[in-house]
Amino acid sequence: AQTVTQSQPEMSVQEAETVTLSCTYDTSESNYYLFWYKQPPSRQMILVIRQEAYKQQNATENRFSVNFQKAAKSFSLKISDSQLGDTAMYFCAFEDSGTYKYIFGTGTRLKVLA
Amino acid sequence: DAGVIQSPRHEVTEMGQEVTLRCKPISGHNSLFWYRQTMMRGLELLIYFNNNVPIDDSGMPEDRFSAKMPNASFSTLKIQPSEPRDSAVYFCASSLGYGGGSYNEQFFGPGTRLTVL
Repeated sequence: AQTVTQSQPEMSVQEAETVTLSCTYDTSESNYYLFWYKQPPSRQMILVIRQEAYKQQNATENRFSVNFQKAAKSFSLKISDSQLGDTAMYFCAFEDSGTYKYIFGTGTRLKVLA
Repeated sequence: DAGVIQSPRHEVTEMGQEVTLRCKPISGHNSLFWYRQTMMRGLELLIYFNNNVPIDDSGMPEDRFSAKMPNASFSTLKIQPSEPRDSAVYFCASSLGYGGGSYNEQFFGPGTRLTVL
């Protein structure tokens, strides 16, 4: 069975600094998809960035980028120029390409400090 | 599009009462997912549907929980009888589903916060 592990329950970063959130996963599949979702205090789940496992190039969305290491089964999220609005819970998710189910990690609570 | 719509946003009920949570997926989406979020257990997938058919309900905690999707634009999650340990935020999400493309981003509703006293 696939598993997703986020080993950092909480993190904090100064405004304008860079922070990296870790995520590792375990699967025997070769084709799958990975996602980072953000959940601010409003509790709405918002997609931040996605990565397709067959693509070697790391995904980037504005200030958000990933470091995808397929062999190591690692999928970290880097937030550059952190803003107060980035304060939220961040969830890493693995999509089973056969069933389209997501397996979520336990989340990392990120606090951006002014 | 209005996104995934869930109702009610908040529900407070007493133990033993029946609770019905409602979800309207994004038009054109073929897959619908029900999740439960608690501090202790995080985000758990309860059940998901594809083309209105339940595909996997292995996450449904017990017989007190049931879910239906009578048509492509409506789903319900029912708890009967409710217990205090059912208190959680329940999310509905939808995606294009099978045949939707190379990946299936799930779009989440705002959630229903359920409190069972």
